[in-house]
Amino acid sequence: DVKVTQSSRYLVKRTGEKVFLECVQDMDHENMFWYRQDPGLGLRLIYFSYDVKMKEKGDIPEGYSVSREKKERFSLILESASTNQTSMYLCATTGGYMVGGYTFGSGTRLTVV
Amino acid sequence: QKEVEQNSGPLSVPEGAIASLNCTYSDRGSQSFFWYRQYSGKSPELIMFIYSNGDKEDGRFTAQLNKASQYVSLLIRDSQPSDSATYLCAVSRGNEKLTFGTGTRLTIIP
Repeated sequence: DVKVTQSSRYLVKRTGEKVFLECVQDMDHENMFWYRQDPGLGLRLIYFSYDVKMKEKGDIPEGYSVSREKKERFSLILESASTNQTSMYLCATTGGYMVGGYTFGSGTRLTVV
Repeated sequence: QKEVEQNSGPLSVPEGAIASLNCTYSDRGSQSFFWYRQYSGKSPELIMFIYSNGDKEDGRFTAQLNKASQYVSLLIRDSQPSDSATYLCAVSRGNEKLTFGTGTRLTIIP
């Protein structure tokens, strides 16, 4: 089974801090995604990457950046955390023939105070 | 209009009955359709996917797709308390990127 590991389950950060969320997958998948999930809004795509050093903006990229230096690792960066970035962040990966068959990480619940 | 719409529920179904979850989408270019189950406090897990019009069955689950009506549904037969969760509908134009609905919360009543 594909394992998608997110480095932290819970994080509390202060407004203005730079925050790094890490995601590592162990199945050599090309495609990696970062979503945030909020009540009533569902999952919204922040950024995604189809290959090393490649990144594309999703639907809500403002206030975020990403890094993919190695195929297995996709990092989400909050340049200057704000309270409206308090959310559940989910990393997902897919590859192969099952288009869209995401495997999700366990999620990071980030609280910005 | 939201790209993917689901009835937020909650939907309550007696144990042993059929649960019917519905989803409509706005993009006629959508090619792939998925149902995810998400337990409270957990991340979503894929339970069904369907690409062609008609029905697709997997155990107690049946996915139904009608592209002309832009409608996809999930039926759960012989509902069990362990089926209580939020069910997310997701669609893709085939480029691997998914757009999700906000989910339907399902409660199976023993």
